[in-house]
Amino acid sequence: NAGVTQTPKFQVLKTGQSMTLQCAQDMNHEYMSWYRQDPGMGLRLIHYSVGAGITDQGEVPNGYNVSRSTTEDFPLRLLSAAPSQTSVYFCASSPSAGTDTQYFGPGTRLTVL
Amino acid sequence: SQQGEEDPQALSIQEGENATMNCSYKTSINNLQWYRQNSGRGLVHLILIRSNEREKHSGRLRVTLDTSKKSSSLLITASRAADTASYFCATKEETSGSRLTFGEGTQLTVNP
Repeated sequence: NAGVTQTPKFQVLKTGQSMTLQCAQDMNHEYMSWYRQDPGMGLRLIHYSVGAGITDQGEVPNGYNVSRSTTEDFPLRLLSAAPSQTSVYFCASSPSAGTDTQYFGPGTRLTVL
Repeated sequence: SQQGEEDPQALSIQEGENATMNCSYKTSINNLQWYRQNSGRGLVHLILIRSNEREKHSGRLRVTLDTSKKSSSLLITASRAADTASYFCATKEETSGSRLTFGEGTQLTVNP
């Protein structure tokens, strides 16, 4: 199993541009989530999904959209990038909504100029 | 706002010494987890302790949980240079479903 994969690893955007961060897992996990990691802030939950077709907002959802059309994929969309969205983004998955351990992807480092 | 607060923010020790990191949280939890993150990499799950447990061991790791003080500690014994990483506690609150709330982390440096 590849586990949780994220693409791209690095991305530079200009203010106002849009892009999609990809996340995929091949473990048939029901639960997937997106976090951003900023210096001195720890990890903050952006959006999460407890199964295909179901998404919900986390702690910092503004400026981000998600969808979950398949069990495997959970893309994160930035509709109009802002410098405040410069961060490292991590995707994570776990077998089900009630499972405690999450498996993390390697991260995407995003810079918005 | 962050549920977990970790202490210290940074810790530097010599190989062979023990490292202790602390985590405090604010609300009732279902469990508390510790993760490690090597520089530039994703997080790796280390250990989970449930709210009805007080202490748990895994190899060189020892985790304690005091729900009355809303605090946890992670002890790494006989540290190695390879233990150099950031360590995060994450809490699963009783009312949050599967969501985890992370602390800001402790940067551990183990000098050879």
